[in-house]
Amino acid sequence: QQQVKQSPQSLIVQKGGISIINCAYENTAFDYFPWYQQFPGKGPALLIAIRPDVSEKKEGRFTISFNKSAKQFSLHIMDSQPGDSATYFCAASIWGNTPLVFGKGTRLSVIA
Amino acid sequence: SQTIHQWPATLVQPVGSPLSLECTVEGTSNPNLYWYRQAAGRGLQLLFYSVGIGQISSEVPQNLSASRPQDRQFILSSKKLLLSDSGFYLCAWSGRQGRSYNEQFFGPGTRLTVL
Repeated sequence: QQQVKQSPQSLIVQKGGISIINCAYENTAFDYFPWYQQFPGKGPALLIAIRPDVSEKKEGRFTISFNKSAKQFSLHIMDSQPGDSATYFCAASIWGNTPLVFGKGTRLSVIA
Repeated sequence: SQTIHQWPATLVQPVGSPLSLECTVEGTSNPNLYWYRQAAGRGLQLLFYSVGIGQISSEVPQNLSASRPQDRQFILSSKKLLLSDSGFYLCAWSGRQGRSYNEQFFGPGTRLTVL
């Protein structure tokens, strides 16, 4: 019940295209859903996060879509650029003082 | 502003040798602190987390231990390294002032190779 399932494992997108990464969770108590971006040899960086009071959150080219009934959330990267090539992790936790549960990551490659 | 430091950045150690990795956070107080391990091309495995000095929660029983001797210092140790301890070790903190303890911020990592 503590798992967060992330798909796909890897993704190749043309420059200018839309990258979509999906995550699903089981624990209905989860109410905080962040996405992290990690470049090779670096620590993950918090990219964007959402709570269940909204169904969508947008920051620049990055959008989180959240479907509470389906227990799913996704990251959309609009106008994908080669600089977006990285590994993306979704995560979930119970709001408050609890550790994050991470998905296994998606390796995104944006090709020109 | 807050910053997190990890050292060393890279480390090559023989099997059976001891290990000590250090993590410090600046610019905040009473942070939660976390140790993660990331195997090559794999996900993030939470090893330990701490909500205060001397308070350590272990997520995965293994060859490693953690200590928090000071509020903003977190140490990962091993008495005898195994080949399987190789990986990228990441320290993280949460509890930025005015923000939730859920928001975690990662350090630059330590690349450990056990030969």
